[in-house]
Amino acid sequence: DQQVKQNSPSLSVQEGRISILNCDYTNSMFDYFLWYKKYPAEGPTFLISISSIKDKNEDGRFTVFLNKSAKHLSLHIVPSQPGDSAVYFCAALGTSNTGKLIFGQGTTLQVKP
Amino acid sequence: NAGVMQNPRHLVRRRGQEARLRCSPMKGHSHVYWYRQLPEEGLKFMVYLQKENIIDESGMPKERFSAEFPKEGPSILRIQQVVRGDSAAYFCASSPSRQGGEKLFFGSGTQLSVL
Repeated sequence: DQQVKQNSPSLSVQEGRISILNCDYTNSMFDYFLWYKKYPAEGPTFLISISSIKDKNEDGRFTVFLNKSAKHLSLHIVPSQPGDSAVYFCAALGTSNTGKLIFGQGTTLQVKP
Repeated sequence: NAGVMQNPRHLVRRRGQEARLRCSPMKGHSHVYWYRQLPEEGLKFMVYLQKENIIDESGMPKERFSAEFPKEGPSILRIQQVVRGDSAAYFCASSPSRQGGEKLFFGSGTQLSVL
């Protein structure tokens, strides 16, 4: 039962262009969402988050949008840089409100110079 | 201020052997989580511990797997009688409080390979 889904396994964009990574969820009880970035042979690192009371959160080149009615969120990276090439995981905080995160399968982003 | 330390980085075991994975949380963190990442999948929650207590083990397989976080020393994830399906990357994360969120810091993981 995959409660958080990232349907695109990979994405390739040109340097300087926008990268859009998508994530869908099924549980309407989720109220906090996070994006993590992961390089090979390293653990995930926190990137940006959004609470369900908001529909947008911005941090530098990274913006996360949340559409609660569609149970959909997206991460926009503008402009994309080669160093952004990594696996991006969407995650939702479960109802226990602890660090028990529910992760999507991940999307591998490649930014070409 | 060292991050979350996991060792070993790579562990090779034959079927039937035991695997012990260690995790030292960040200084000042008393909440530890273990996650497993199978090939081509996302991370799956296994267990949440505080010092000397298992708080949530709803993601742990019912048999062969156990975890502890003693008063002194690292947290240990123990897998008895390993099988090929246990081959995965095991990540530990720590947090200073119950509410992890963006305060959850991950280690670099232990890659377990079962031959």
